[in-house]
Amino acid sequence: DAGITQSPRHKVTETGTPVTLRCHQTENHRYMYWYRQDPGHGLRLIHYSYGVKDTDKGEVSDGYSVSRSKTEDFLLTLESATSSQTSVYFCAISRDPQGAGSNEQFFGPGTRLTVL
Amino acid sequence: AQKITQTQPGMFVQEKEAVTLDCTYDTSDPSYGLFWYKQPSSGEMIFLIYQGSYDQQNATEGRYSLNFQKARKSANLVISASQLGDSAMYFCAMRDITGNQFYFGTGTSLTVIP
Repeated sequence: DAGITQSPRHKVTETGTPVTLRCHQTENHRYMYWYRQDPGHGLRLIHYSYGVKDTDKGEVSDGYSVSRSKTEDFLLTLESATSSQTSVYFCAISRDPQGAGSNEQFFGPGTRLTVL
Repeated sequence: AQKITQTQPGMFVQEKEAVTLDCTYDTSDPSYGLFWYKQPSSGEMIFLIYQGSYDQQNATEGRYSLNFQKARKSANLVISASQLGDSAMYFCAMRDITGNQFYFGTGTSLTVIP
């Protein structure tokens, strides 16, 4: 199994509070991703990183920011959480994708976030 | 815009039978990758199979095969000899030409009946 951990695994917070989710990998992969999973939507890409300090937006980036100061850690921050951000958040890693190549993503166990 | 469509919200299959899970995609990229993932009730995402847009042969991985019809923009997953442990959500996904963006379908819930 790929070495990916997410913390916390569960969090309940109130609207308007800041929240940071952490993804940690031991595989030394350059690419890291944050997704959210919601019923009826599948997984949607929030942000991704292709190296230390190199990040870019995904499909649903509004309201989220990310940071990557070390290869092994990718942080997702909700500056001011809203109820619409209640979701399950997955981190994923992959080797260099080489275009649309076969390097699949390996996923972390997920974080269930509830914003009241 | 890229898009993945999975039109079967739920499927049932008898144990030991084969089942096909449908996936169609929409892209104007000349090169792309197609993936299937399995999500059991425990929640983890498990990679099953990959098909590159330029691959001439359909991908196979054990009991999983991908029926790739490029002209129809479909990438259906075929599971042969279904087992009870195959009961799960199945997601089709596409990686775009840059390799950076992934798009997932809404998933199909498969239930294997003993």
